[in-house]
Amino acid sequence: DSGVTQTPKHLITATGQRVTLRCSPRSGDLSVYWYQQSLDQGLQFLIQYYNGEERAKGNILERFSAQQFPDLHSELNLSSLELGDSALYFCASSPAERMNTEAFFGQGTRLTVV
Amino acid sequence: AQSVTQLGSHVSVSEGALVLLRCNYSSSVPPYLFWYVQYPNQGLQLLLKYTSAATLVKGINDFEAEFKKSETSFHLTKPSAHMSDAAEYFCAVSDPFNTDKLIFGTGTRLQVFP
Repeated sequence: DSGVTQTPKHLITATGQRVTLRCSPRSGDLSVYWYQQSLDQGLQFLIQYYNGEERAKGNILERFSAQQFPDLHSELNLSSLELGDSALYFCASSPAERMNTEAFFGQGTRLTVV
Repeated sequence: AQSVTQLGSHVSVSEGALVLLRCNYSSSVPPYLFWYVQYPNQGLQLLLKYTSAATLVKGINDFEAEFKKSETSFHLTKPSAHMSDAAEYFCAVSDPFNTDKLIFGTGTRLQVFP
């Protein structure tokens, strides 16, 4: 158990809908990272938050947004969903602002858009 | 920009045989390098990391990797494969001066036959 909790584990929704994925980092970790894993794109970095502030952005679509709350949990919001958004979404946390140490990954949320 | 290339999307070995998973990196500065393992329906777990200390890095479950600057490689090895090693393995790189994110390779699926 990595200590990172993601909910829900599975999500099935229709095109055009909006969903929210939730991540609770390990106790004490200030950084939260979101990654998307799909068969054709592999593991793609989406966005990082550190202590409530956005720190880095990767290949995140404009239809996607995220935030980190004062209690350090994070949410990834996906809207106007398309079939191609079907993927496994991982959250990772680390104690540092920089990714120079181990990042602990949750078990992921599998999103299926039908 | 950093990148990693994992040669061979699938590797098959017999139980007890040597495991060799290849990773080559591209980086303009000495990078940090990581190997992660993903078991079915699980998140990613860190196997080992190189952060500019010893070039031969030992990780969990008898895995090790050697950083070779001249070859820009960070291959993962294990002397004797176990059935439980069957999983997907990801090499990742980060820039120590800009460690906002990990850049992952496309992964290598390891199969172990009895």
